[in-house]
Amino acid sequence: QKEVEQNSGPLSVPEGAIASLNCTYSDRGSQSFFWYRQYSGKSPELIMFIYSNGDKEDGRFTAQLNKASQYVSLLIRDSQPSDSATYLCAVNLNQAGTALIFGKGTTLSVSS
Amino acid sequence: GAGVSQSPSNKVTEKGKDVELRCDPISGHTALYWYRQSLGQGLEFLIYFQGNSAPDKSGLPSDRFSAERTGGSVSTLTIQRTQQEDSAVYLCASSLPNSPLHFGNGTRLTVT
Repeated sequence: QKEVEQNSGPLSVPEGAIASLNCTYSDRGSQSFFWYRQYSGKSPELIMFIYSNGDKEDGRFTAQLNKASQYVSLLIRDSQPSDSATYLCAVNLNQAGTALIFGKGTTLSVSS
Repeated sequence: GAGVSQSPSNKVTEKGKDVELRCDPISGHTALYWYRQSLGQGLEFLIYFQGNSAPDKSGLPSDRFSAERTGGSVSTLTIQRTQQEDSAVYLCASSLPNSPLHFGNGTRLTVT
């Protein structure tokens, strides 16, 4: 059974702070990791993807992957009220015929 | 370029009726996914098509649900004898192999 776990939140941070979102996964063979953002009533949109251990930075976002601990995180620096949304972690085995499995998401609220 | 297109955007049906939901993926995308999202919940995987391989149907909740993908492009998700618990947003996504998903705007299904 492939599982992806996230704290549902809500995670509340003040504007300008760092928001840290965490995700664990059960399948040690997982190879590809994605973070999606979903605003209320909208479809998910890709924020970042990471395939290798370590950090990957893109603007205010940093994805961190630790395959040994089966843990992937998303850091949002200088959080803005517009970052308030649900963040979905998604994982797949990077093998043909394997579906992308999503966690239930963490709701982030950034207060101004 | 055109994104993933889903129709209808909203569907209201009576309990017991059959419904068909359509997804037109991005041209050239070989992978196509169907997910279901109930109010305030995460994405529940339903079915995954990858090229000419047999689809992964492991997420379909019951035999009332079926999906097909004709000619490796358009997909139809069919729900027979709809129940109230089928009410949700049905999201379709497509991608290149092992690449990030691109989501459609979803079909909001309401079963009365």
